[in-house]
Amino acid sequence: DTAVSQTPKYLVTQMGNDKSIKCEQNLGHDTMYWYKQDSKKFLKIMFSYNNKELIINETVPNRFSPKSPDKAHLNLHINSLELGDSAVYFCASSLGSGTGIYFGEGSWLTVV
Amino acid sequence: GDSVTQMEGPVTLSEEAFLTINCTYTATGYPSLFWYVQYPGEGLQLLLKATKADDKGSNKGFEATYRKETTSFHLEKGSVQVSDSAVYFCALSGGGSEKLVFGKGTKLTVNP
Repeated sequence: DTAVSQTPKYLVTQMGNDKSIKCEQNLGHDTMYWYKQDSKKFLKIMFSYNNKELIINETVPNRFSPKSPDKAHLNLHINSLELGDSAVYFCASSLGSGTGIYFGEGSWLTVV
Repeated sequence: GDSVTQMEGPVTLSEEAFLTINCTYTATGYPSLFWYVQYPGEGLQLLLKATKADDKGSNKGFEATYRKETTSFHLEKGSVQVSDSAVYFCALSGGGSEKLVFGKGTKLTVNP
């Protein structure tokens, strides 16, 4: 009965490859996010979508392309992977400002 | 811009010790404040929140009070357990923005 689920949980891939991470939430929230956690545990927002529309794009390289087919799904596609893309990527959702954001379990991406 | 500063870790305590993790923030307006916890190898869980001044958030024995005069939201627990070992993140959202701004995280280790 997972609220925010993302797949895959672990992903090891070579430089230059293209990969996708999928995310789904069953909380009925309107807003979904992608956050990146680096090796020092620092968390930073990448994107936010509200009802399928992009509302936040935090100067992320355009190799990263989010797609929201409906308000319950927000997928992240990454082209031409680089070593520096190795991180944990968290999907999240919320009902509205101030109510708290609920995170998925993370996708551990390692680029070799 | 908005920012969150939390005490540098790591913090190491013995079981049943008192815990304080300091968190201060800079924000325009009246943000909502949150504590998230990340257990080893897992995603982020919302621990507690407060949405206005003098509110106290509490959960699982943890407490934090929204102090507007000192722009602080310190996390406390009276008696920690080994199972509380994790990384704790202070965060805020506000100014009509949906995004969370995180502190750098504080790693807590509780020894038996």
